Amino acid sequence: DAGVIQSPRHEVTEMGQEVTLRCKPISGHDYLFWYRQTMMRGLELLIYFNNNVPIDDSGMPEDRFSAKMPNASFSTLKIQPSEPRDSAVYFCASSLGRELPYEQYFGPGTRLTVT
Amino acid sequence: AQSVAQPEDQVNVAEGNPLTVKCTYSVSGNPYLFWYVQYPNRGLQFLLKYITGDNLVKGSYGFEAEFNKSQTSFHLKKPSALVSDSALYFCAVRDWKSNYQLIWGAGTKLIIKP
Repeated sequence: DAGVIQSPRHEVTEMGQEVTLRCKPISGHDYLFWYRQTMMRGLELLIYFNNNVPIDDSGMPEDRFSAKMPNASFSTLKIQPSEPRDSAVYFCASSLGRELPYEQYFGPGTRLTVT
Repeated sequence: AQSVAQPEDQVNVAEGNPLTVKCTYSVSGNPYLFWYVQYPNRGLQFLLKYITGDNLVKGSYGFEAEFNKSQTSFHLKKPSALVSDSALYFCAVRDWKSNYQLIWGAGTKLIIKP
């Protein structure tokens, strides 16, 4: 398996622009997680899905952030409009929820810079 | 409240010496504990886990962790450090309230000096 795939790896955009981050989880995994990592706040869970359904989006910072999972092999995280404080590394992770120990497998991340 | 603490922001060890990265936890129910490593400009990689059974858990790259229920700790250890072990290490525990989320520590930067 290729592991969790994220694209793009790097994104530089101007304030006010729409940004879409993409994730392909490991085939067969039924949980998908979106995280954000910054020096100031560390690793934060933004939202997670189970069988394509959003379960907990309490970590999404504002209405400017939205996430979808239209099918088991694809998810997007969208920021509209983007702001400089959104600059961070965004990780997608997936896990198999039916069996212990529920370890999560991370993608390489998308480094977002908003100028 | 459930939580994970990594009391050291940074740990410095000389190459060849043993290393320990500390983690303590507070959970309701049986703890499922994890260690992950993050190399520069990479995603987090799973190292090892404790679910039940033997208190000494062996993982990838020669790392091991000792589960201590009375001290509610799960310290990461390695007998002989390598320069290539330099990375950011995260401890995590399963969140029993949400069932499938992990509660993450703040991370410890491990620096191995030649």
